[in-house]
Amino acid sequence: GAGVSQTPSNKVTEKGKYVELRCDPISGHTALYWYRQSLGQGPEFLIYFQGTGAADDSGLPNDRFFAVRPEGSVSTLKIQRTERGDSAVYLCASSLGPPGQGRSPLHFGNGTRLTVT
Amino acid sequence: DQQVKQNSPSLSVQEGRISILNCDYTNSMFDYFLWYKKYPAEGPTFLISISSIKDKNEDGRFTVFLNKSAKHLSLHIVPSQPGDSAVYFCAASARVAETSGSRLTFGEGTQLTVNP
Repeated sequence: GAGVSQTPSNKVTEKGKYVELRCDPISGHTALYWYRQSLGQGPEFLIYFQGTGAADDSGLPNDRFFAVRPEGSVSTLKIQRTERGDSAVYLCASSLGPPGQGRSPLHFGNGTRLTVT
Repeated sequence: DQQVKQNSPSLSVQEGRISILNCDYTNSMFDYFLWYKKYPAEGPTFLISISSIKDKNEDGRFTVFLNKSAKHLSLHIVPSQPGDSAVYFCAASARVAETSGSRLTFGEGTQLTVNP
């Protein structure tokens, strides 16, 4: 597809369970970002990948959150021992990179709506 | 610490009139600014951007103005159309280091409603 693809579109899980959220970036985009958007707020940065490595994970709220991008394309955001406060829309975005080659806008997927009951 | 702030949660205008959406920022390291539009159940879509070396950028019906001394930017849409009804997010980034990429800091968003 032409855009950023995120699966699943909706995920309902029980408190304490483990979840994985998947992101397929635009082909050829080396930079990948995860954001989290709570109701009534703008997206908040979680983590940035340049290629396979996490160049900036300073936005991850705690060690229950982890993300990987083993082959420099698809990324998975993993949340352990989910809490009700983790409920939000998790957005993935990609852009042409790396930094130093000029700014390019982020292209977002439609997000995964996570609900922790 | 809200570094990018959109003080108006909502704005309503008549079709054909001008829509003006405002955004303020506090971080003087920000040097690149963007506006995104978001429809329900979709991700934000890039609309227009401006570098801090400019004070205006225009693309069709959309114009972004940057006032660095006031740390303020605005998005003008003219003429407004009902299809423009969406949430508009202001975002900013700073080239702090090579590892920062194009990390964006977003405002809270403004819901624009254009009435026919």
